[in-house]
Amino acid sequence: ILNVEQSPQSLHVQEGDSTNFTCSFPSSNFYALHWYRWETAKSPEALFVMTLNGDEKKKGRISATLNTKEGYSYLYIKGSQPEDSATYLCALRRGSTLGRLYFGRGTQLTVWP
Amino acid sequence: NAGVTQTPKFQVLKTGQSMTLQCAQDMNHNSMYWYRQDPGMGLRLIYYSASEGTTDKGEVPNGYNVSRLNKREFSLRLESAAPSQTSVYFCASSERADYGYTFGSGTRLTVV
Repeated sequence: ILNVEQSPQSLHVQEGDSTNFTCSFPSSNFYALHWYRWETAKSPEALFVMTLNGDEKKKGRISATLNTKEGYSYLYIKGSQPEDSATYLCALRRGSTLGRLYFGRGTQLTVWP
Repeated sequence: NAGVTQTPKFQVLKTGQSMTLQCAQDMNHNSMYWYRQDPGMGLRLIYYSASEGTTDKGEVPNGYNVSRLNKREFSLRLESAAPSQTSVYFCASSERADYGYTFGSGTRLTVV
C-alpha cells in the first residue's frame, strides 16, 4: 500500500484569506505529482501536473510547489474566494506504474463570504 | 461535448444482481481507469487499461471485471453485486503519463 497523505483534512477560511495545504508522498521512484480540484456534485478537474524537483506551477490565484527529494508538495491559494470552496486532491505517479495514480484523501476547503 | 461519458448516473441493485458500468472517451486517450470513491477514503483504483488490449488490476479489483472494448470504451462489470460495492464510481482517461486525468461525471451505485 502506498500512502499519499494530505493535511489538513479540512480547512475553513474567510474570503480574502490566503491558505495552503500539504501533500506528502514517498520520494522513491517518483515520476509526477498531480493536483486536482473537486467541487461538490462534480468530477475532479486537473489543476497541475509537476514532474521536476523545484517545479512551481501557477494558475490564477492558485500555485503549487514540489520537493521530490523530501516528498512533499504545497498548494497555495492567494486571496481565497467562495468559489474556491472544493476538495483539493493530490495524486502520485511512480515511474513503474504506467500512468496509474495514487490519490490522497484530499483537503476540503470552505471559504466563507 | 468532448470528454468522458459514464452511464448510468445512478443505479440501485439487489444483492447478487449483475450490471455493467459503461465508459467512453472521445479524446483519443490511450489510458483509461476505473476508481471508486467511498466516504473518508481517497479515490481507489479498481482496474486500469494502459492501452487498447491491455488491462491490469488496481488496489481493489475483487468482485469486478473490466473490458477494454476498443480505444474509446472501457466497461466495468459487477458479476454478483454486494452491499460493500455501494460506492461512487468514476471512470477517467489520460493521454500520457505527464498529463492530468479527465474524469467522467460518476455513477452512484447502491446495492441493497
